Amino acid sequence: QLQLQESGPGLVKPSETLSLTCTVSGGSISSSSCYWGLIRQPPGKGLEWIGSIYYSGGFYYNPSLKSRVTISLDTSKNQFSLRLSSVTAADTAVYYCATTTIAAAGTLFWYFDLWGRGTLVTVSS
Amino acid sequence: DIVMTQSPDSLAVSLGERATISCKSSQSVLYSSNNKNYLAWYQHKPGQPPQLLISWASTRESGVPDRFSGSGSGTDFTLTISSLQAEDVAVYSCQQYYSTPPTFGQGTKVEIK
Repeated sequence: QLQLQESGPGLVKPSETLSLTCTVSGGSISSSSCYWGLIRQPPGKGLEWIGSIYYSGGFYYNPSLKSRVTISLDTSKNQFSLRLSSVTAADTAVYYCATTTIAAAGTLFWYFDLWGRGTLVTVSS
Repeated sequence: DIVMTQSPDSLAVSLGERATISCKSSQSVLYSSNNKNYLAWYQHKPGQPPQLLISWASTRESGVPDRFSGSGSGTDFTLTISSLQAEDVAVYSCQQYYSTPPTFGQGTKVEIK
């Protein structure tokens, strides 16, 4: 059974880069059946999609974060990772890993059918 | 971006009673070529991963109890829990996937009265 587990620093200083890793278990990150994504939820606010990556390296980012976001794969560790640069207090959030299954005929519909439990990242000096 | 607005922000319902959550999108999420609404609902219990309940506005995911139902079209959608159970205490969020970026409502907290 596919599972996702986030791991992150807990605390990041303003202007630094947030790095977070999602570990995939029960399946291979090299699977062609889904995109691997990241979603966050700031305290008291709604969820925000950050971006998603495919095993081949293809990716989609939220335009609102695109200039600061990099999502990458490490197939040897069955992990994917987020780097978010120049963080501010507004980047304080619970960060989730999530999958988007590719439908028949390769069609992509951006809803999220499996999630991790999330990890809180606080930006503060 | 499409803005998703849910109401109410929270509601308290007695066990066995009906809970109704509204979700409105700032533009239609109905795709005319296939007549499908690109709208999903999620349940999020504390300490657990969020769970996809419903896609395509009304299609329940495998294993989701049939007391959960989704309805609506275009810009107005509803999630109904027909008979609230204790295990349904959670935050419920709607999400559109009609256009990129996918966007979520702010969430509705459901509690027991």
